[in-house]
Amino acid sequence: NAGVMQNPRHLVRRRGQEARLRCSPMKGHSHVYWYRQLPEEGLKFMVYLQKENIIDESGMPKERFSAEFPKEGPSILRIQQVVRGDSAAYFCASSPPGWGTYEQYFGPGTRLTVT
Amino acid sequence: AQSVTQLDSHVSVSEGTPVLLRCNYSSSYSPSLFWYVQHPNKGLQLLLKYTSAATLVKGINGFEAEFKKSETSFHLTKPSAHMSDAAEYFCVATSGTYKYIFGTGTRLKVLA
Repeated sequence: NAGVMQNPRHLVRRRGQEARLRCSPMKGHSHVYWYRQLPEEGLKFMVYLQKENIIDESGMPKERFSAEFPKEGPSILRIQQVVRGDSAAYFCASSPPGWGTYEQYFGPGTRLTVT
Repeated sequence: AQSVTQLDSHVSVSEGTPVLLRCNYSSSYSPSLFWYVQHPNKGLQLLLKYTSAATLVKGINGFEAEFKKSETSFHLTKPSAHMSDAAEYFCVATSGTYKYIFGTGTRLKVLA
């Protein structure tokens, strides 16, 4: 069973460009979470999605950031008009459907560098 | 608000000696607690989890942690460090929801 997959692993963007980060959850998992890790910090929750639904986006910056998890295909975290402060590692996690277990399985992350 | 405090940002131990990584949490509810390890440029791997069963939790690679409610602590230990244990370790709490609260991490260095 393949783990959570993220691509690209490394992404370099100039200020003002758009960044698209992709996450394919583990097989059978229908819940996806995005976290951001700034240098020398722990991971911070950004958004929680189920198929075609955003459940909780309380950790997302109000502007320029959006996330989706379509019926088919990977979850996408999109950052428009990137700035230097967006440079970070972005991790995706997934969990199986249902409640009662909160164990999340993490992907290897996408390291975004804004020049 | 819930928070997780990892008391040491860096810990150095000699190979073969015990490891202790400290974690305290604050929560209004009975939390679920986890320890994850992150090797350089890799994803996070679950070491162990506490979900209100036994207070002493055994994980992978010889790690274990003890939940102490009176001290609001969940320290990670290993009797004998191995070079391959060098990594960053994150303590994580959740109060019965999906929203993980991460500590700031402890970087473990193992000296030969």
